[in-house]
Order: sequence, then structure tokens, then C-alpha cells
Amino acid sequence: DAGVTQSPTHLIKTRGQQVTLRCSPKSGHDTVSWYQQALGQGPQFIFQYYEEEERQRGNFPDRFSGHQYPNYSSELNVNALLLGDSALYLCASSPAGTVGGGANVLTFGAGSRLTVL
Amino acid sequence: QQQVKQSPQSLIVQKGGISIINCAYENTAFDYFPWYQQFPGKGPALLIAIRPDVSEKKEGRFTISFNKSAKQFSLHIMDSQPGDSATYFCAAPGSARQLTFGSGTQLTVLP
Repeated sequence: DAGVTQSPTHLIKTRGQQVTLRCSPKSGHDTVSWYQQALGQGPQFIFQYYEEEERQRGNFPDRFSGHQYPNYSSELNVNALLLGDSALYLCASSPAGTVGGGANVLTFGAGSRLTVL
Repeated sequence: QQQVKQSPQSLIVQKGGISIINCAYENTAFDYFPWYQQFPGKGPALLIAIRPDVSEKKEGRFTISFNKSAKQFSLHIMDSQPGDSATYFCAAPGSARQLTFGSGTQLTVLP
């Protein structure tokens, strides 16, 4: 059973460029969340997608946008890259379920390491 | 907005010893409070999780203790092994199933 798969694993961009990161959730999961993990820090919530809509958003600017497709896969787009956007971008999936039912127990992918020069 | 404070930042333990990592959260939520383990170059992997209506949960060598009134929870690793050397993150639930993570604890278990 494949877990969460992310691509690409590593990429290098320059300031001002745009990047798209991709994620396929774990089989049976329909909710996808994106997190940014700076070096030496814990993951920070960017946004969450469910039923192809952004359901929740963290404290990130509009330069960060996303999309979810009918097959539950998802993309994270970052425009006008800044040096501070250099980080590990993690995709996490979770199954549908009610609060209290363990639905916040996330399965993470290995991440996409973005370096902005 | 949920805030999570995790300590210590780093921890060195001898093989066979007990590792203890603590976390404090601000906002109560009725959903699982998980601990994740992360190895270099990998994404975080769920280690163990506890519901807030339970005071303790044990899985093998790993135990979560939960103090709802104090808004604190901790991870105990018994009989720590070199293979346990990793970064550990606690997390607290917010709204709509998003998690707020602590800043991490880098655990080193000496052989």
C-alpha cells in the first residue's frame, strides 16, 4: 500500500520564480494538508484541501496557493519566490471522519526540499 | 490559534535509559494529540497518539501521559535504543483537523 508520495524530491529555484509541488495521498484518504518545515523547526500548516476546496488556511500569504483534483491528488503553488521560502514542503493526508475520531492523525510524505537562491 | 511549546530542544540519553519530552498547549480540542518521529531526509511518521479523555497510553516502549487540567502532555521512551535517535515532534489539534506542531526535540541515544 503506497503511502503519501510527493514530487519532486529536491528542486532549486531563483528569487521571483514560481514553483509547483505535487502530492498523491495515501489510498483511502481524501483530505490533503500542506506544511512548510524550515530547517530545525516543526512543520507549519499552510492549508488543507477537502472535496477540491480549500477548507482551512494557516498564516501564509496569497503567494501560496493550491489545488485538489477529483482523484484527491493535490498541488502546492508558490509564486514570486523569496529566499525565506527555502524549506521542506510536506504533504499529509488523512481520511474523512468526524472530529474526535482520529481524523487529525496525519500520514506524511517524505517532502519536497525547495532551495531558493 | 493553537500554540504548542516543546522541551527540551535536545536530549542525550544512554542506551537503556528513559527519554522524556514535554509539551504544553493552549487551546482545548477534542481530538487526538499525536507524537511524530522524524529521521533525517524523511517526513514525520506517527509514533503514538492519545485522546484528551485518556490520561495515559502505552505502546511498547512508548508512553504518552496527558494532563488535561494543566494542558500538558509528555512522551516517555523506556529502554531507549540508538535506533530511537531522531527528532520528535508533539502536536495539538486545531480546527478542521489541522495540527500545530512543537519545535521539536532532537534525541540522541548513546550506545
